[in-house]
Amino acid sequence: DQQVKQNSPSLSVQEGRISILNCDYTNSMFDYFLWYKKYPAEGPTFLISISSIKDKNEDGRFTVFLNKSAKHLSLHIVPSQPGDSAVYFCAASRGNKLVFGAGTILRVKS
Amino acid sequence: GAGVSQSPSNKVTEKGKDVELRCDPISGHTALYWYRQRLGQGLEFLIYFQGNSAPDKSGLPSDRFSAERTGESVSTLTIQRTQQEDSAVYLCASSYGAGETQYFGPGTRLLVL
Repeated sequence: DQQVKQNSPSLSVQEGRISILNCDYTNSMFDYFLWYKKYPAEGPTFLISISSIKDKNEDGRFTVFLNKSAKHLSLHIVPSQPGDSAVYFCAASRGNKLVFGAGTILRVKS
Repeated sequence: GAGVSQSPSNKVTEKGKDVELRCDPISGHTALYWYRQRLGQGLEFLIYFQGNSAPDKSGLPSDRFSAERTGESVSTLTIQRTQQEDSAVYLCASSYGAGETQYFGPGTRLLVL
């Protein structure tokens, strides 16, 4: 039972353009959503989060959008930079446990 | 400040052997989590410790898996009689409190031959 899904295994974007990573969830009880970034041979690094009472949260080049009716969230990176190339995981929680998606590999081409 | 550390970084073992993985959380973090990431998959929750409360073991895949935590410090994850399907990256995370943002260690890459 995959409660959090990232349907795009990979995404390739030109430097300077917008990267949009998508995530869908099935459990309407989730009330907190996060994005993590992971480089090879490192642990995931927290990037940005959003509470279910909001529909948008912005931090520099990173913006997370939440559409509760569609059970969908997305991460926008603009402008994309080559250093953004990594695996991006979305995660959802209600309480203490995080449920992760399978990840999307982002490649930013210079 | 030090982040979450894990040891060993890599472990190769033979099927049937026991392994012990260690996690040192960020100082002051009361919550500690273990996750597993198999190749090409997302992170899978294993177990959660919060202060002196009974751990949430709901994610442990079998009784070959166990974990302990000493107070609010080091945790060890033990896998007994390892199987090839146990091969994965085992990640530890800690957070300041329950429901707070989790910070991950670099993981231990376990390969069971």
